[in-house]
Amino acid sequence: DTEVTQTPKHLVMGMTNKKSLKCEQHMGHRAMYWYKQKAKKPPELMFVYSYEKLSINESVPSRFSPECPNSSLLNLHLHALQPEDSALYLCASSLRGDTIYFGEGSWLTVV
Amino acid sequence: GESVGLHLPTLSVQEGDNSIINCAYSNSASDYFIWYKQESGKGPQFIIDIRSNMDKRQGQRVTVLLNKTVKHLSLQIAATQPGDSAVYFCAENSNAGNMLTFGGGTRLMVKP
Repeated sequence: DTEVTQTPKHLVMGMTNKKSLKCEQHMGHRAMYWYKQKAKKPPELMFVYSYEKLSINESVPSRFSPECPNSSLLNLHLHALQPEDSALYLCASSLRGDTIYFGEGSWLTVV
Repeated sequence: GESVGLHLPTLSVQEGDNSIINCAYSNSASDYFIWYKQESGKGPQFIIDIRSNMDKRQGQRVTVLLNKTVKHLSLQIAATQPGDSAVYFCAENSNAGNMLTFGGGTRLMVKP
């Protein structure tokens, strides 16, 4: 079973709101990822957590704040976003950092 | 910088025909490659992978070919079905870190 679960599936938020995206996997994977995907584009890496520690931050603005409470959970806290941040946010996980499995994504609309 | 790219943005095939989706990569240090299928409104789904010590790998109706000499990767889908309609991404992962570099994607359209 290669399941990465993301909630919510859809989120609409105002530019002054604070919201969070959540991700969960129970495959024992030790690497977890956040990707951002705009329409008709490939996913772009945002953050990588390895063994619950942030290992890669691809110069993401501070209005996106990742959190890894434990080895199964990954959150993305959102605050003061802009309309151009509207996108599909994908969580993924990997056992050894090679094969990466994606969740179905959270569709975010910033109004 | 290093990049992974695709030759064709859209491929239209007749149901039952074979499909070939191509991908070029430029990072000679790439040692692991993955093909993903992404249906509309869904996340990328792992299809098949191949390591750089192999030239060919087969799955169910899919075959991945790797030509390291020209840094080229292809995905072959046999007897293409309407359910194969999606965007296909190749991605490469070098041993340098826990990250994938994606190609631009090819949309496969299957005509009934």
